[in-house]
Amino acid sequence: GQNIDQPTEMTATEGAIVQINCTYQTSGFNGLFWYQQHAGEAPTFLSYNVLDGLEEKGRFSSFLSRSKGYSYLLLKELQMKDSASYLCAVRDSNYQLIWGAGTKLIIKP
Amino acid sequence: GAVVSQHPSRVICKSGTSVKIECRSLDFQATTMFWYRQFPKKSLMLMATSNEGSKATYEQGVEKDKFLINHASLTLSTLTVTSAHPEDSSFYICSARTLAGNEQFFGPGTRLTVL
Repeated sequence: GQNIDQPTEMTATEGAIVQINCTYQTSGFNGLFWYQQHAGEAPTFLSYNVLDGLEEKGRFSSFLSRSKGYSYLLLKELQMKDSASYLCAVRDSNYQLIWGAGTKLIIKP
Repeated sequence: GAVVSQHPSRVICKSGTSVKIECRSLDFQATTMFWYRQFPKKSLMLMATSNEGSKATYEQGVEKDKFLINHASLTLSTLTVTSAHPEDSSFYICSARTLAGNEQFFGPGTRLTVL
């Protein structure tokens, strides 16, 4: 079956760095996405990785290793507004997104 | 980035009535639109995939006759929840994808409460 695993909840301090991991087992791979979702709102796109390596976009970076079925989202200089759920999703061979359950990130002052 | 709108953003209805939710891609043509349902503290659950001009493909366990999907144009898809019941109360989110795009653009979601 298809499976995406990410931690349920993480806590970090304002100004610090946090890494959210995602491991996946899917039928085929056509890219991995990270989304941010605030409570009661729809997800917003953060990053897309299809090749191995690190993609940096401001305070957020995303890493992919296809051979290991592994990705992480790195958030630097954490701000209170970064408190949200972070969803990892993989596009499979049918071009459908398979979603993880999300990681709730709590930022403390 | 591309914008997807949903209407209404929030709806409260009585049990037994039908509710229509619209999803529009405002500045691009969406050959494929997706409808998701999200329960509290759970990940998005894909309900169906609709391609413009053809019948929607429903995921296993999703009742076609209860959740009617119409994708009549390249910018509009509708989801109608027929004979709604309290267990249909949820957050419904649509997303749209262009033929060449690597992103799925999400609508803001519709919160449905069935009394």
